Parts: sequence; structure tokens; C-alpha cells
Amino acid sequence: DAGVTQSPTHLIKTRGQHVTLRCSPISGHKSVSWYQQVLGQGPQFIFQYYEKEERGRGNFPDRFSARQFPNYSSELNVNALLLGDSALYLCASNLLGAGREDTQYFGPGTRLTVL
Amino acid sequence: AQTVTQSQPEMSVQEAETVTLSCTYDTSENNYYLFWYKQPPSRQMILVIRQEAYKQQNATENRFSVNFQKAAKSFSLKISDSQLGDTAMYFCAFTLEGAQKLVFGQGTRLTINP
Repeated sequence: DAGVTQSPTHLIKTRGQHVTLRCSPISGHKSVSWYQQVLGQGPQFIFQYYEKEERGRGNFPDRFSARQFPNYSSELNVNALLLGDSALYLCASNLLGAGREDTQYFGPGTRLTVL
Repeated sequence: AQTVTQSQPEMSVQEAETVTLSCTYDTSENNYYLFWYKQPPSRQMILVIRQEAYKQQNATENRFSVNFQKAAKSFSLKISDSQLGDTAMYFCAFTLEGAQKLVFGQGTRLTINP
């Protein structure tokens, strides 16, 4: 079975632009979470979606938004990009979602560079 | 708010040696889960081991084992017979039961030397 997949692998944008990152969860997993990992630091939680509804949000500005589709894939959108948005964006999926604990499995990430 | 602290930014050992990575956490809750993830240079975050706080028995996965001290809020990872492929960043992570997010430590960069 395929693991969590993310696209694109790398992305270069300029300040003020918009970006969309995509994630497909492990087959059968209904929950997707997004994390931002700045170089040299641990990942920081951005969002969790379960059954197409937002179930958790981290301390990120409104420029960050996400959604989940009926097939459980997800998009992360970032508007008005800043230099500080340069990071590795990680997507993770798990089976049961909010209200239950189960292990999150991560994709390979999308490396975003903002110039 | 929950926090996770890894006090060792870098560690280096010889192949076949045993190494222990430290992690402490802070929470007032009683039901939670702890994880160690490995992130090699490829950047893929890989689950190494998982521990439920309600279980007193320490988790083990082949060469990897943990020392979970709930009262001390300590969760260390021991790697036995270390291999070159163990070279990676190691992150300790925490989640509350019913929560929506993992809280990560700052990571420990482990290098296994031949």
C-alpha cells in the first residue's frame, strides 16, 4: 500500500504570492494533519481535518487555510507569502481522527522557498 | 500548554554502540501518548516507537526501547547495536488523548560513525 503522498516536492515562490500544497492520505485513513517545520526546529501543528471538517487549528495566521475533499485528500493554502513561510510542510494521516488517538504517519513533505 | 524538551542538540557514537536520547515533557493531564520519530536526511518523518501513558511496561521495537518515567515526565529512547542507517534527527512527540495535534521537541541530531 502507498504511504502518504505530497505534491509538489519542491516549490519556489516570491513574497506576496499564493501557494497550494496537496496531500493524499494512506488508503482508509480519514484524518489529515498539516505541520510546518522550519529548518533546525521540530514540526509545528497547523491544522487537522477529519471527515472534511476542521477539527483543530494551531497558532498560525489567517493567511493559512486548508480543506479536505470527499476522497480524504487535502490542500493547504497560504496567501500573501512571507519570507518566514519558507519551510518544509509535512502532511500526516491517521485512521480515526479527532476524539480518538492513533498514530500519525507522515508524508515526505513539500519544501517551500519564498524569495 | 504541553511542552516537550530535548536537551541534547547533537550526539555522536560509534557503530554497534548503545546510545540513549533524552526527552522530558510537561503536562497536567493523565492520559496521553508519547512517540519517537526519526527524520533522516531524506526528510521523511518515520515512526520509531510509541508509548501509551497508562501502560507501565516500556515499549520496545527490535533494537529500540524506551524508558518511560511517568512521575518524572521523562521518556528516553535507547538504541542498541547502533547502525549507520540510524543516523538521523530524532524527535520526541506528545499528544493528549482525544487531541488533534502532536507537540514535538526540538530534535536531537544523532550521528553513527563507522
